[in-house]
Amino acid sequence: QVQLVQSGPEVRKPGASVKLSCKTSGYTFTSHGLSWVRQAPGQGLEWVAWIGGYSGDTNYAQRFQGRVTLTTDRSTTTAYMELRNLRYDDTAVYFCARDEGQRLAKFDYWGPGTLVTVSS
Amino acid sequence: QSVLTQPPSASGTPGQTVTISCSGSSSNIGNNLVYWYQQFPGTAPKLLIYKNDQRPSGVPDRFSGSKSGTSASLAISGLRSEDEADYFCASWDDSLSAKLFGAGTKVTVL
Repeated sequence: QVQLVQSGPEVRKPGASVKLSCKTSGYTFTSHGLSWVRQAPGQGLEWVAWIGGYSGDTNYAQRFQGRVTLTTDRSTTTAYMELRNLRYDDTAVYFCARDEGQRLAKFDYWGPGTLVTVSS
Repeated sequence: QSVLTQPPSASGTPGQTVTISCSGSSSNIGNNLVYWYQQFPGTAPKLLIYKNDQRPSGVPDRFSGSKSGTSASLAISGLRSEDEADYFCASWDDSLSAKLFGAGTKVTVL
């Protein structure tokens, strides 16, 4: 069965960086892309970025350009998201989700989410 | 303010049909596929409808999706108490080159 297991909660100060992981299993990693979606407390869903499982191509939401980097490790079928220069409003739960395609919005399997808290 | 517009709330009594709208434009819904997600508090979203009107296996046929022009809808028929959740529409946007979500609609079963 498809599983996405995410790393544990993080607390960072403003201006710091955080790197989250998403370990996948149960499917061919290179056959699907993966997106990161975040949800601030009490708010809706916001797409952050996408990475192709085979190509490693990336697409970042404009508001995160320059602050976020997605990478993958095919050997461990793990995806990573690094977010830099953290701000208070980056406090959110960050979900990784298997993504069928770059120009689609089909997230068919989700990780449980990682809470990132930005606090001084 | 989201590019995809959803009503913030919808409600109905058990057995009724509730319909949630998602309004966009030619750069997103009008030219791309629409997806719907269901989310319960404290949990990850779940894919409910894909490719405008397709249900993944395991999703009850009480849930149905449709699309017309630059708008889409999710209908929940035979409403049950366990349908009380947040519902989000999503689509790709050609102009923004981004995946978009609506702001979400909270469904309450009265």
